[in-house]
Amino acid sequence: DAEITQSPRHKITETGRQVTLACHQTWNHNNMFWYRQDLGHGLRLIHYSYGVHDTNKGEVSDGYSVSRSNTEDLPLTLESAASSQTSVYFCASKHGQDMAGELFFGEGSRLTVL
Amino acid sequence: QKEVEQNSGPLSVPEGAIASLNCTYSDRGSQSFFWYRQYSGKSPELIMSIYSNGDKEDGRFTAQLNKASQYVSLLIRDSQPSDSATYLCAVYVLYMDSNYQLIWGAGTKLIIKP
Repeated sequence: DAEITQSPRHKITETGRQVTLACHQTWNHNNMFWYRQDLGHGLRLIHYSYGVHDTNKGEVSDGYSVSRSNTEDLPLTLESAASSQTSVYFCASKHGQDMAGELFFGEGSRLTVL
Repeated sequence: QKEVEQNSGPLSVPEGAIASLNCTYSDRGSQSFFWYRQYSGKSPELIMSIYSNGDKEDGRFTAQLNKASQYVSLLIRDSQPSDSATYLCAVYVLYMDSNYQLIWGAGTKLIIKP
């Protein structure tokens, strides 16, 4: 079965360290997204990609970067982790760019920045 | 700022009763609306999508859309304890890069009491 997997599932790091969260999907979807989820907020878009070598900034992109070198992977990098980036991060993918269709989510990565 | 608003709850409903979840959105141009269910510690999963005014039924779930009043609702009939979860409303809005992106409500926590 096709799926989308994230790693690590849990990560504790220190302020100022670089952290990379991996996302791998086997749906062969062109469109991939990174969201963060915090209490009292909806899912907020960090970065997204419509295909290989395409990346775009979302609503809360400051302090984050992504790269897309193949269809399957969209790693999210925190260049210098801050306590405000403590959150649950979800990767998602979708078949088309239209306003229909389901977003498929990974299991989430819980990041704690001390 | 384009917004999607939901009552955070918790909404407590007796088993077997109808649970009614509401969502309002600010962008009059929105055309696509979604309800996702998220169990505690898990990722969101699609329950219903709706694109036209009126009702759309799928098993025990009914989505209702009123574009003039800018609200979308989800009814769950014959509520079961397994329906206890957070329900996320998501709406496509025209985004910064002239593409459409999902804007998410913060979710309503639903508790079904046996």
